[in-house]
Amino acid sequence: QVQLQESGPGLVKPSGTLSLTCAVSGGSISSSDWWSWVRQPPGKGLEWVGEIYHGGNTNYNSSLKSRVTISVDKSENQFSLKLNSVTAADTAVYYCARADRGRFFDYWGQGTLVTVSS
Amino acid sequence: EIVMTQSPATLSVSPGERATLSCRASQSISSNLAWYQQKPGQAPRLLIYGASTRATAIPARFSGGGSGTEFTLTISSLQSEDFAVYYCQQYHNWPPKTFGQGTKLEIK
Repeated sequence: QVQLQESGPGLVKPSGTLSLTCAVSGGSISSSDWWSWVRQPPGKGLEWVGEIYHGGNTNYNSSLKSRVTISVDKSENQFSLKLNSVTAADTAVYYCARADRGRFFDYWGQGTLVTVSS
Repeated sequence: EIVMTQSPATLSVSPGERATLSCRASQSISSNLAWYQQKPGQAPRLLIYGASTRATAIPARFSGGGSGTEFTLTISSLQSEDFAVYYCQQYHNWPPKTFGQGTKLEIK
């Protein structure tokens, strides 16, 4: 059973950098799957942020592309999200998730709330 | 980018009755559609993929249908634990993977 766990600061200052890590257990990050970040502003719907394959290939939401970086650490079986120049609009619950062969999200982390505020 | 539109935004149904939720794609996505259930304070849970294949451990009262641009999620006899928000997601043409805005299924 694959499990994902997000970690990182819950509060980030405006114009700062949001940094989160997702630890994967019960499965290898070097599988045929893509590893994704999805966010959900309070009271709103789901927004795909981006994804990475273990080889390092990445895809990003075009609305965030200039500010987002996703990286993978195969030795630690984890992947990470960095979002630069954050504003209050980036306040959301951030989920990491596995996309089965890049398709649908079959495993999700519990989510972590990141608030952008001074 | 493929836009996913769900209707209605809110659906009020009594326990034991049938609920039908709709999802429309802005262009054909074949059967490359998934449905998720989300309860307050929880991560989404995969219900259906391939438009009609139930995910592991999903009860048979959940069924998905459709192809091309029109899709439905049907819950045949609503249980109390089924009242939640439901999202559709396309994976036909990505990036980006796109979600619908959600349908809230509430108790009538």
